[in-house]
Amino acid sequence: EDQVTQSPEALRLQEGESSSLNCSYTVSGLRGLFWYRQDPGKGPEFLFTLYSAGEEKEKERLKATLTKKESFLHITAPKPEDSATYLCAVQATADSWGKLQFGAGTQVVVTP
Amino acid sequence: NAGVMQNPRHLVRRRGQEARLRCSPMKGHSHVYWYRQLPEEGLKFMVYLQKENIIDESGMPKERFSAEFPKEGPSILRIQQVVRGDSAAYFCASSPFDTIAKNIQYFGAGTRLSVL
Repeated sequence: EDQVTQSPEALRLQEGESSSLNCSYTVSGLRGLFWYRQDPGKGPEFLFTLYSAGEEKEKERLKATLTKKESFLHITAPKPEDSATYLCAVQATADSWGKLQFGAGTQVVVTP
Repeated sequence: NAGVMQNPRHLVRRRGQEARLRCSPMKGHSHVYWYRQLPEEGLKFMVYLQKENIIDESGMPKERFSAEFPKEGPSILRIQQVVRGDSAAYFCASSPFDTIAKNIQYFGAGTRLSVL
């Protein structure tokens, strides 16, 4: 059975304290891996998509990487505005193009 | 440049009533997706639609739930005879699907359904 597991469940950081979030997945074939950010009471906001092992994407203080079994979202020198829940989702080759399977998310709190 | 629009933002229904959730995709997007987020759980895929077609409904409960995306107008997620377990946030997403690499789903702000 396909699974997407995110760790840790929650992360509390001091402003400027870099850290990494993990997303491990077990699918028969990976079509793509997506990272989203979700603020309370809002819908997920797209951040990155990765398609093959070794691929990296970067945006401001965020960098996403992909291996054959997991992805990391690195947050460098975070600021309080980076506080959010970060969601990982996979699109499996066995599924339709429209189906994303989400992990439970990592809730990040960055304190000044 | 309006994003994905969902309404209502909050919906309260009593057990046994019907709930109708609406979603207008981003301009130029012809593919719509519905997800449900139960309290303390992750987003779960429900259904994938194109105009006048259901492409994948593998995540839809077998009874009481239906979805449509007509040629004109918004996509509708309909829940008949709601029960307390239907209380959740329902999110709609859309994508242009012009190429495989660009099939990124953009989400609306969601509809919070509360069943009394």
